[in-house]
Amino acid sequence: EPEVTQTPSHQVTQMGQEVILRCVPISNHLYFYWYRQILGQKVEFLVSFYNNEISEKSEIFDDQFSVERPDGSNFTLKIRSTKLEDSAMYFCASSGGVDYQPQHFGDGTRLSIL
Amino acid sequence: DAKTTQPTSMDCAEGRAANLPCNHSTISGNEYVYWYRQIHSQGPQYIIHGLKNNETNEMASLIITEDRKSSTLILPHATLRDTAVYYCIVRYLNAGNNRKLIWGLGTSLAVNP
Repeated sequence: EPEVTQTPSHQVTQMGQEVILRCVPISNHLYFYWYRQILGQKVEFLVSFYNNEISEKSEIFDDQFSVERPDGSNFTLKIRSTKLEDSAMYFCASSGGVDYQPQHFGDGTRLSIL
Repeated sequence: DAKTTQPTSMDCAEGRAANLPCNHSTISGNEYVYWYRQIHSQGPQYIIHGLKNNETNEMASLIITEDRKSSTLILPHATLRDTAVYYCIVRYLNAGNNRKLIWGLGTSLAVNP
């Protein structure tokens, strides 16, 4: 069964450094998402991406965050200048073109900011 | 905020059916019910979704009440590997490209030997 893959599984970065999290969505999917989950808290929506542009973003997704689909397969989340509070699990998801089709998630990247 | 309420935790004996309830009393006609689970800190795993009819797949069954104000996820023969946090999420359709999922705290299901 096709799946969403994320790399790396764990990223340790110094505060203030830039970090790029990578995702390979399911190949025929059209919608792409990033969510995060701070330890012990709810899963939170960050951003959705369709047709090469952001379709929706949350208040969390400020100017320090950006997303890109640099080629036909990868979907990336960049944090420009990381803060301690960016430490979290980051999940990528993708879904098909039909509205009710479910989102499928990767296993996440654990981001630790020191 | 999430539009659903779920019990914080539940227990189930291995081999028995696990019935996880979800209340979504403010659901509208264009909203689907989705169920996901999260095992430990892995990524959320899609289980099943429905609009108004009962649904079944290889993982579970979804029973939606006639008034659509509540639903029950049924794992017919729970195993230890079904121990996870289960999330019930309501999402509005016909929302164009705005398809975000809003998560609550879910139900922590413990399957006991």
